[in-house]
Amino acid sequence: GQQLNQSPQSMFIQEGEDVSMNCTSSSIFNTWLWYKQDPGEGPVLLIALYKAGELTSNGRLTAQFGITRKDSFLNISASIPSDVGIYFCAGHNAGNMLTFGGGTRLMVKP
Amino acid sequence: DAGVIQSPRHEVTEMGQEVTLRCKPISGHNSLFWYRQTMMRGLELLIYFNNNVPIDDSGMPEDRFSAKMPNASFSTLKIQPSEPRDSAVYFCASSFYTGELFFGEGSRLTVL
Repeated sequence: GQQLNQSPQSMFIQEGEDVSMNCTSSSIFNTWLWYKQDPGEGPVLLIALYKAGELTSNGRLTAQFGITRKDSFLNISASIPSDVGIYFCAGHNAGNMLTFGGGTRLMVKP
Repeated sequence: DAGVIQSPRHEVTEMGQEVTLRCKPISGHNSLFWYRQTMMRGLELLIYFNNNVPIDDSGMPEDRFSAKMPNASFSTLKIQPSEPRDSAVYFCASSFYTGELFFGEGSRLTVL
């Protein structure tokens, strides 16, 4: 079963607004990853974080690996309609399977 | 480069019929995963292969589900007999590093 708590479950925002979502766990992970799933498609890797405290940007996306290694957040700046989709966090430890959060469904109003 | 290729994209079948889903992973990847996605349960890992060998099948719901990987470029997930509760989107994913998965576009299964 899922062990990551991802919030919020859904967001409905206006185009141009910034978005923030986070993921927490009771367990430590050595790697945090963020995936995006477009409607009707499979999840696609957005950002991978490998070091506690690491802050990584990819265009309008910024993600951070929490110092405790039990949390991560993803920010999207100046949202656009194509940001619509489901965002999944995932935690990973070597030798183990990826653990996915429940997803944040993002809807953007033009 | 071609990504993970799944077929069929859509399958509608009647309860009791056999369903076979197919996956071609990315060349060079040594790990292959089958996931099931539903609104209620999200993404569930069904089975994981490493170097064509099943490593963890604890997520396979029951004996009606089976998966094979006869070689590095092909895998199948079979449901026999299918039931309406098996309706879901089934994803295949491959990776070289088990954390960074590359997903296929999914096979949407509807069992009537």
